[in-house]
Amino acid sequence: EAEVAQSPRYKITEKSQAVAFWCDPISGHATLYWYRQILGQGPELLVQFQDESVVDDSQLPKDRFSAERLKGVDSTLKIQPAELGDSAMYLCASTPHLTRSNEQFFGPGTRLTVL
Amino acid sequence: SQQGEEDPQALSIQEGENATMNCSYKTSINNLQWYRQNSGRGLVHLILIRSNEREKHSGRLRVTLDTSKKSSSLLITASRAADTASYFCATGGSEKLVFGKGTKLTVNP
Repeated sequence: EAEVAQSPRYKITEKSQAVAFWCDPISGHATLYWYRQILGQGPELLVQFQDESVVDDSQLPKDRFSAERLKGVDSTLKIQPAELGDSAMYLCASTPHLTRSNEQFFGPGTRLTVL
Repeated sequence: SQQGEEDPQALSIQEGENATMNCSYKTSINNLQWYRQNSGRGLVHLILIRSNEREKHSGRLRVTLDTSKKSSSLLITASRAADTASYFCATGGSEKLVFGKGTKLTVNP
């Protein structure tokens, strides 16, 4: 069964360092999402891509976060510099295309700890 | 900001019992979804109910939707230890999902 892949699964870094997360969506899925989930909370959308274009990045802290999906397939989320408050689970999800049903398929996530 | 609010925040039951969790939301919706998240893992889609539907079943899951009260409920019947997880409702418009804070369900063997 096709799955969304994410790496690394766990990342520990010190504040002010740069970190990067990678996501490979299900093959053929045009829409890709990055979420941040703080412990005890629900996921919150950071950025949404349709193919290689950003559809929504209104909640992305652009002073330190960046995201790209250059060829419209896999995607990278970067944080530079990392802050203590960035400690969270970073989830990637994908859907086949923009549909009314918008069921999303999630990867296992990257657990980031900033020391 | 989070649209949905699940209730209760935590629920502990014995295996074989039914588990009911509720979700309230604020604005009008096209559909409402429920997801499950096992500890430290990604979310898994459980069921979607559209705004013109009142009830939907999938296996041991039963979801109801009351748009007049802006609320939904998820019932898990004959619960199993493997149902231990956090459950989130999510509402969406224009393909952007907004999740609640979740209900943490513990099913004791």
